Amino acid sequence: EVQLLESGGGLVQPGGSLRLSCAASGFTFSNYAMSWVRQAPGKGLEWVSATSGTGGSTYSADSVKGRFTISRDNSKNTLYLQMNSLRAEDTAVYFCAKVFGDYVIDYWGQGTLVTVSS
Amino acid sequence: SSELTQDPAVSVALGQTVRITCQGDSLRSYYSSWYQQKPGQAPVLVIYGKNYRPSGIPDRFSGSSSGNTASLTITGAQAEDEADYYCNSRDSSGDHLNVLFGGGTKLTVL
Repeated sequence: EVQLLESGGGLVQPGGSLRLSCAASGFTFSNYAMSWVRQAPGKGLEWVSATSGTGGSTYSADSVKGRFTISRDNSKNTLYLQMNSLRAEDTAVYFCAKVFGDYVIDYWGQGTLVTVSS
Repeated sequence: SSELTQDPAVSVALGQTVRITCQGDSLRSYYSSWYQQKPGQAPVLVIYGKNYRPSGIPDRFSGSSSGNTASLTITGAQAEDEADYYCNSRDSSGDHLNVLFGGGTKLTVL
């Protein structure tokens, strides 16, 4: 059974940093691209970032480019999202997601809430 | 970058058929996937590719595509189908990967 368990969310001040983690199990982690998707309170889904199975290729939405960095440790079956220079508009639930094909998301974690506020 | 456009809200009588649409230029190049999200829960994939359902998704869910429009059809809507539905696809514009989500459609089953 595929499981994705996010951690690392919390309250942070504007301009601060936070690192999210996603522990994956139930599949061969290194064989799949992974992604982060976020959802602001009461709003829709927004793609944030993605990485290839090896971690050699990474991509980010324009809204987070230069501030967020996606990475993975295939030896630990863990996906990360380093978030710097956080803004109020980054407040959201962040979902870890397993990807296949043309960026179809077949499994989602339960999400971790990031609140950026003073 | 491109956008995917969905109607904000749609309603359907119990047992009737409803179609939820998604429009965008990227859909001329890539299939849309569809996700169902109930309050307080993570999204669930219900349709992907040409018209594929993941294991466990009822066959009353189906997908289709024509030109720049993708559609999710629920034939014989049930009370438990009341949820938000999101389409997504790769973005066909630009020279780097971008992934798009529609704004979501809130489905009410009357």
